[in-house]
Amino acid sequence: DGGITQSPKYLFRKEGQNVTLSCEQNLNHDAMYWYRQDPGQGLRLIYYSQIVNDFQKGDIAEGYSVSREKKESFPLTVTSAQKNPTAFYLCASTAAGGPIEAFFGQGTRLTVV
Amino acid sequence: KNQVEQSPQSLIILEGKNCTLQCNYTVSPFSNLRWYKQDTGRGPVSLTIMTFSENTKSNGRYTATLDADTKQSSLHITASQLSDSASYICVVSAWGYGGSQGNLIFGKGTKLSVKP
Repeated sequence: DGGITQSPKYLFRKEGQNVTLSCEQNLNHDAMYWYRQDPGQGLRLIYYSQIVNDFQKGDIAEGYSVSREKKESFPLTVTSAQKNPTAFYLCASTAAGGPIEAFFGQGTRLTVV
Repeated sequence: KNQVEQSPQSLIILEGKNCTLQCNYTVSPFSNLRWYKQDTGRGPVSLTIMTFSENTKSNGRYTATLDADTKQSSLHITASQLSDSASYICVVSAWGYGGSQGNLIFGKGTKLSVKP
């Protein structure tokens, strides 16, 4: 089955810890995105990548880092510098060109304990 | 800045009734508009996608309309079912990539509750 997979579904972080959220796609999509979703708010862009080894900051990149070493993978690290990391994180991917259909993963809920 | 506004913020309807959700956008250059359904705690799932030249598109009981002149879209749900309870998100794509918003501009969604 083609799709986009996020793991884990639930993640707990202690204060001061870095954690990494996984996002893998087998759709051969060029672009990948990370969004944060808080209650009552729309999705906000953290980082996106159009191509391997290249990525751009979104509106709320502070306290987050990403890498794009492979086309299929776009992991997100939530660093200790992110002061309010408790949220629902969504990864998405799109193909280049034409009407762009975006596919989403099932999300990771991160909670600081 | 590109923006997508949705209304109402929330809506409660009785099972079997119809409803219409609204989406207004200021996105340039416009590429396409999508409606997504998001169940609580899950990722969004695409319902419809429309380009500039399309006025209406249906997917079962869901019908989306697009007026590119007024930059408005609506999602009409017919004969609602309990399983329609979810958030409905309007997403507008801009051609090309760039800026801190990327090329996918999201509305905040309409939370629909269908009651028996």
